[in-house]
Order: sequence, then C-alpha cells, then structure tokens
Amino acid sequence: KAGVTQTPRYLIKTRGQQVTLSCSPISGHRSVSWYQQTPGQGLQFLFEYFSETQRNKGNFPGRFSGRQFSNSRSEMNVSTLELGDSALYLCASSRSSGRGGELFFGEGSRLTVL
Amino acid sequence: GQNIDQPTEMTATEGAIVQINCTYQTSGFNGLFWYQQHAGEAPTFLSYNVLDGLEEKGRFSSFLSRSKGYSYLLLKELQMKDSASYLCAVRSNQAGTALIFGKGTTLSVSS
Repeated sequence: KAGVTQTPRYLIKTRGQQVTLSCSPISGHRSVSWYQQTPGQGLQFLFEYFSETQRNKGNFPGRFSGRQFSNSRSEMNVSTLELGDSALYLCASSRSSGRGGELFFGEGSRLTVL
Repeated sequence: GQNIDQPTEMTATEGAIVQINCTYQTSGFNGLFWYQQHAGEAPTFLSYNVLDGLEEKGRFSSFLSRSKGYSYLLLKELQMKDSASYLCAVRSNQAGTALIFGKGTTLSVSS
C-alpha cells in the first residue's frame, strides 16, 4: 500500500514569506503528526491531528499552524518565515491513537529560507 | 523538563555487535521507540518497548528498564547497510502519538 506522501519535496523561500506543506497519510490512518528535523536539534514535535482535531501541540511559536481534512490529509503552514525555519519537515501517520501506534514517516519537505 | 540522551556517534566493523544506549527523563511514559534513518531518507520503525525487558527482532534487539529510565538497541552481525542514524524516542502522553526524540546516534560500519 502507498506510504505517507509529502509535497513539495523541496522548496526555497525568503524571509517574511509564508509556506504551506501537504501530507497524505497511509490509507486508514487517522492520526497525522508533524515534526521539524534540524542538524542541531534533531526531530522536534510540532503538532498532531486526529479526526480533524489538534490533539497535541509542541513548543513552537504560533507562526506554525496546521489542519486536518475529513479525508485525513493534513497541511501545515509557517507564516513570516525566519532563517531558523530552514529544516526538513516530516509528516507521520499512525493507525492507533493510543498504546503502541508506531509512526510511519514520509520522505519530508526540505525548506530553505534565504 | 524532558530529556533524551544518546551518544552522538559510534563506529563498528562488519560482523561485530554494537549497543546503542539511551537514557530518558520525561514527565510521563507510554512506550519507547527506536527508529533507523539513513541519510536523506525517512525514519523507519525498528522496535517498541513498553514493559521492562528485552524485545528481539532478527538481528536487532531492544531493552527497557523503566525504573532506570534506560534503554538500549543491540545490533548483531553488523552489515554495511546498518550505517545510519538511530533515533531513540519516548511517548510520554497517554492520549496521543507524539514522540520526544533524542538527537540520534550516527553509526558507521566499516569493512
């Protein structure tokens, strides 16, 4: 079955712009979460959506937002981009909402902010 | 605060055994995961421990001690393709799937 699909794979933006990233989870998975990966900080949790509701949120500023649609597809948006937002943004989907529930990651969207 | 520590880098030779340690301090505990990430690729699931003890899956095993806040990933019969970053992650929240990740251990396997 198809894995987690993220688009776009690569993008370049300038400071002050905004960006929207898209994620299509594995069919049947209702939980979608987003992570930021940088060389210095590793993988950091942004937020998680389940059945169109944000269930958990990490420690990121309000410039980072997301949403989930009725078909479980998710988008995340970063407004007023800063140089430090340059990172690999990973989306992960999961079948389970509780115990166990391994995450399946997409290939990521690599954002460069100039 | 919440903290997960693991060594930054490790090296080993083909055919050898390597143990990657992970210590954690989190506000809650609902399972510990190990992921493998090759350069430029997505992380892939290796193992899950929620109870104390050893979980074995082929060449890979993972151990958990909740009282010590400690886990390790054991890789046997190392192969060149095992060169990758190994990520330790804890699920601290009962209600969701969010993981707190360590910064990863880069393992280099040489011949």
